[in-house]
Amino acid sequence: NAGVMQNPRHLVRRRGQEARLRCSPVKGHSHVYWYRQLPEEGLKFMVYLQKENIIDESGMPKERFSAEFPKEGPSILRIQQVVRGDSAAYFCASSATGENTEAFFGQGTRLTVV
Amino acid sequence: AQKVTQAQTEISVVEKEDVTLDCVYETRDTTYYLFWYKQPPSGELVFLIRRNSFDEQNEISGRYSWNFQKSTSSFNFTITASQVVDSAVYFCALYLRSSARQLTFGSGTQLTVLP
Repeated sequence: NAGVMQNPRHLVRRRGQEARLRCSPVKGHSHVYWYRQLPEEGLKFMVYLQKENIIDESGMPKERFSAEFPKEGPSILRIQQVVRGDSAAYFCASSATGENTEAFFGQGTRLTVV
Repeated sequence: AQKVTQAQTEISVVEKEDVTLDCVYETRDTTYYLFWYKQPPSGELVFLIRRNSFDEQNEISGRYSWNFQKSTSSFNFTITASQVVDSAVYFCALYLRSSARQLTFGSGTQLTVLP
């Protein structure tokens, strides 16, 4: 669904650098979900945010990863001190109601750590 | 806990053949949603269908059809008269209202349609 916009589409970072992935939800949607797809695998849930709040971060690695969804602006997934194992595609979805039954995803950001 | 199993890792067919992709799910909930997505080589996720647990009616959309059977916890996807452009990874996913508001994905089936 073209409504969810992610950027950049491709991101290359050296080990130890920070990666910032942005997700602009469909206009009017206040719920955002981040998923990670490791090579050759399905998508795994990372975090669910509502404007200014983290609702569920049960899928987030405990260290180096953080997410926010400020009152204004896109949702940001931040990975500090990236390692090769962080190389993956990161997808974002949004919904209006908090029921992730619409489940339209952005085009994803492909992070490569070199 | 919920789980989605796509036992077929890879399938190859020749153009114009029919192909069925299997999806088996596990949940104790009575209210849930099932999805199919297509991920072409370009990498984006293309939404194909959403089905809620109270609607067991099979659906047909062009060359695509879906067979939802609660008795066997399956939600299979058939492509009729396959085309090369159907080559992609196909994911089945499950959404439960009761648990965290997240989709649980299967591991995907890589479909290759040969000319």
